[in-house]
Amino acid sequence: GAVVSQHPSWVICKSGTSVKIECRSLDFQATTMFWYRQFPKQSLMLMATSNEGSKATYEQGVEKDKFLINHASLTLSTLTVTSAHPEDSSFYICSAITSQNTGELFFGEGSRLTVL
Amino acid sequence: AQSVTQLGSHVSVSEGALVLLRCNYSSSVPPYLFWYVQYPNQGLQLLLKYTTGATLVKGINGFEAEFKKSETSFHLTKPSAHMSDAAEYFCAVTKGNTGFQKLVFGTGTRLLVSP
Repeated sequence: GAVVSQHPSWVICKSGTSVKIECRSLDFQATTMFWYRQFPKQSLMLMATSNEGSKATYEQGVEKDKFLINHASLTLSTLTVTSAHPEDSSFYICSAITSQNTGELFFGEGSRLTVL
Repeated sequence: AQSVTQLGSHVSVSEGALVLLRCNYSSSVPPYLFWYVQYPNQGLQLLLKYTTGATLVKGINGFEAEFKKSETSFHLTKPSAHMSDAAEYFCAVTKGNTGFQKLVFGTGTRLLVSP
């Protein structure tokens, strides 16, 4: 199956700093990627949809200036958490869909952000 | 609007016992339904999906699920649990008429398997 990789897997940062998380499709071209946030012991909440070469579409309640998403190529999307605060600590997961739209989302392994 | 309800945040079974994880959905359009498994600190892996056609869907690792429109259910089963099945399981439905893309997830059910 298709492989999606996230980096870093773990990141700890100080409050007020910005953190970038990368999501890469390793063996396929991903026209669309999705970013989710998962709180401990809870489900995944869709944050935004990222389409290559265009602006991301954010879900209601998600601050676009806080969570900057860039999908510069067909294999890379980045999520930047700007001016991070402890409440931004969470598990962030990306997924990608192939251009063939085979009916499956491929998920990255997730990135755990801890803001001190 | 689409939504998913997973009954029971935790399900405990003994190794070799039947696994039953419940999922009920609400959808204003014919749903696409999915079951995903998540191991600690990992992303999600697709177990199986229902789109159209046969209502009994077989997935990986011996899991299967049956789409029952009259009951708006898509329960996940496995005849005999294995220790390696211990994980978090999420049921999901597509959000609106978006095909396979936007998913709405349930709150998850943690499966505990005891020896």
